[in-house]
Amino acid sequence: DAKTTQPNSMESNEEEPVHLPCNHSTISGTDYIHWYRQLPSQGPEYVIHGLTSNVNNRMASLAIAEDRKSSTLILHRATLRDAAVYYCILSATYGQNFVFGPGTRLSVLP
Amino acid sequence: DADVTQTPRNRITKTGKRIMLECSQTKGHDRMYWYRQDPGLGLRLIYYSFDVKDINKGEISDGYSVSRQAQAKFSLSLESAIPNQTALYFCATSKDSSYNEQFFGPGTRLTVL
Repeated sequence: DAKTTQPNSMESNEEEPVHLPCNHSTISGTDYIHWYRQLPSQGPEYVIHGLTSNVNNRMASLAIAEDRKSSTLILHRATLRDAAVYYCILSATYGQNFVFGPGTRLSVLP
Repeated sequence: DADVTQTPRNRITKTGKRIMLECSQTKGHDRMYWYRQDPGLGLRLIYYSFDVKDINKGEISDGYSVSRQAQAKFSLSLESAIPNQTALYFCATSKDSSYNEQFFGPGTRLTVL
C-alpha cells in the first residue's frame, strides 16, 4: 500500500486559513487521495477526496500537486470546531481498504 | 437517528470473557468494516465485508471473529478477551463506489481487565 506522511501536529488561529500538508511520493496513477478528520470522542468523518484536479466542497479545498506526490488540505477559515486529527489516506479505485496513519492533530487557538 | 450505530458504547470486561460488539446501519450500504484505535494512533482494520457472503481479514484479525447477519448488521466478537485488546472500536460502512467514502459509527470503548 502506498503510504502517506503528515506532520504530527499543527496550530492555527481562529478565523485564519490552515494548510495541512501530506506527502505521498509512492502514489500510483489510480490512487485516490482522501482526507478524513476525527473530532474528539467521535469516529472519523469524510472531508474531501480527489484524484488529479483540485477539489472544493463546503468543508475544505484539496490542492493536489501536479506530480501527485503531495497534497494540501485547506481550511479557509479555521473555527474552534475544526480542532481534530486530520488523516490523509490513499486508496486504489476499487475495493482497496483505507490505511489510517497517525494523522495531524490540529489545534485552533481562539 | 444516526446512520451507523454501535452497541454497547462502553464495556468493561475481564480477561477470558467472550465479548460481542454490534454494528447496525440504515444507509443501505453493502460494505462494512471493523477498526480498532489505540491511544495516539490511527485506525487499524480488523475485518471487512463487501456483502453478506463475503468476509475478509484485515491487518489485525488475530483474536477476533465477525458475523455478517444481514446487509445492515455486522458483529465483532472477541472469543477470549485479553488486556491488550483494550481499545476504541469503530464500525464503518461504504457504498460499492470507486472512491469508497466510509461512514463511521460513534465507537465502542472496550476495557479488558
